[in-house]
Amino acid sequence: DGGITQSPKYLFRKEGQNVTLSCEQNLNHDAMYWYRQDPGQGLRLIYYSQIVNDFQKGDIAEGYSVSREKKESFPLTVTSAQKNPTAFYLCASSPLSGGVYNEQFFGPGTRLTVL
Amino acid sequence: GENVEQHPSTLSVQEGDSAVIKCTYSDSASNYFPWYKQELGKRPQLIIDIRSNVGEKKDQRIAVTLNKTAKHFSLHITETQPEDSAVYFCAARGEGASKIIFGSGTRLSIRP
Repeated sequence: DGGITQSPKYLFRKEGQNVTLSCEQNLNHDAMYWYRQDPGQGLRLIYYSQIVNDFQKGDIAEGYSVSREKKESFPLTVTSAQKNPTAFYLCASSPLSGGVYNEQFFGPGTRLTVL
Repeated sequence: GENVEQHPSTLSVQEGDSAVIKCTYSDSASNYFPWYKQELGKRPQLIIDIRSNVGEKKDQRIAVTLNKTAKHFSLHITETQPEDSAVYFCAARGEGASKIIFGSGTRLSIRP
C-alpha cells in the first residue's frame, strides 16, 4: 500500500555486517510486522509489534532485532548472527478498530543480498 | 498454535476456466480469513477477505467460501484471465489476535 514505505529497495551486505531495514507508515496503524520470504516460498513472521515500545518474536526471530520507538516506524536489524540473511523482507501494518485488528497492508519490500 | 494448510501448491488452468484454492485452519477461534495475491517480485495485496459470521463473499470474478464446522475456506476465481497468474496466499487470524497465520501459497498459472 502506498502508505507503507520500505527502504532501500535493494541492499547488499558483506558477511559479518549488521544492516538495518527501514519501514515507515503514515496510516496511523497500531500494529506492524516483519516477514521474510525466500524464493518460491511463503511468508515467515520475524517480529511484530502491537504498540509503541513493545514487540514480540515471531517464528524466526533469531539473528534479527527490532525497535518500536515511534508508532509510524518499525526498523529491522539483520545481525551477523543471522546465518543466511539473503531474502526478500516485507514490512506490514494493520489498524486496530474496536478491539479488532483488520487487514494487513504490505510495503514494497527490501531485497537483501549477502555478498 | 494456529496452523493453516493450503492446497494445491501449484495450479494450472485454461484461460476462461475456473480455479479453486483450498485452505484448512486448526484454531476454531479464528474469525478472519484474508486472501492475498502476490505477483512476481511484488508485495502481497489483499484481494478478498471474509469474517466468521459470513459463509460466502463475492467480488466480481472472485469469491470466498467459509465452512466453520469443517474449518475450511476456499478461493474461487471464475473466467480466469492471464493477469490472474500469481501466487495466492490464504491466511487466518484468531479473535483479538494481531498476527495473521499464512498458508504456504499456491502458484496459479493461466494457460492461453
